[in-house]
Amino acid sequence: GAGVSQTPSNKVTEKGKYVELRCDPISGHTALYWYRQSLGQGPEFLIYFQGTGAADDSGLPNDRFFAVRPEGSVSTLKIQRTERGDSAVYLCASSSPGREQFFGPGTRLTVL
Amino acid sequence: GIQVEQSPPDLILQEGANSTLRCNFSDSVNNLQWFHQNPWGQLINLFYIPSGTKQNGRLSATTVATERYSLLYISSSQTTDSGVYFCAVVARSNYQLIWGAGTKLIIKP
Repeated sequence: GAGVSQTPSNKVTEKGKYVELRCDPISGHTALYWYRQSLGQGPEFLIYFQGTGAADDSGLPNDRFFAVRPEGSVSTLKIQRTERGDSAVYLCASSSPGREQFFGPGTRLTVL
Repeated sequence: GIQVEQSPPDLILQEGANSTLRCNFSDSVNNLQWFHQNPWGQLINLFYIPSGTKQNGRLSATTVATERYSLLYISSSQTTDSGVYFCAVVARSNYQLIWGAGTKLIIKP
């Protein structure tokens, strides 16, 4: 079917607010990944799901960040008490396990 | 952890020129991917190439896994080739992509 989709494409919020970012993977892909990209840098890994479970969350920067994938398809990245340093593009990717990863267009988060 | 180095960091060429981008990695990998990030930020898959050689139109790539490097060739460059080219690898003990810093390519008309 279609590629990876992410919503919203842009999100502007105020410091201290809560935000949710959504990722809809390619149909049939059981592996889902979240990355974060700051200006002028390559993406950095945040969390990896295989099915419904978070197989590796070692990239989450602190406990303000949390992600879920309750039915093994759509995933939501949740950020509590946002800080200005959280401003970045949040990228989602999906794949068959261990295979080529395909990326969505990203959500640009700006924390004022 | 595994390190990924890309060279050159910046490249400015005239339309029609050829170029070679290099990616070195410090350990064995299960997966290597080349991406083009366009000016709008979208990551476009170019090659999935943990080893061997592949070609797609004006682009080709070669990965020599035993020597821990990969090359991306762009022939007859067009202005639409401008953007940042990333190499990313998955270490054998993991699933996440580890990224190089990218090569910023500018093609002048």
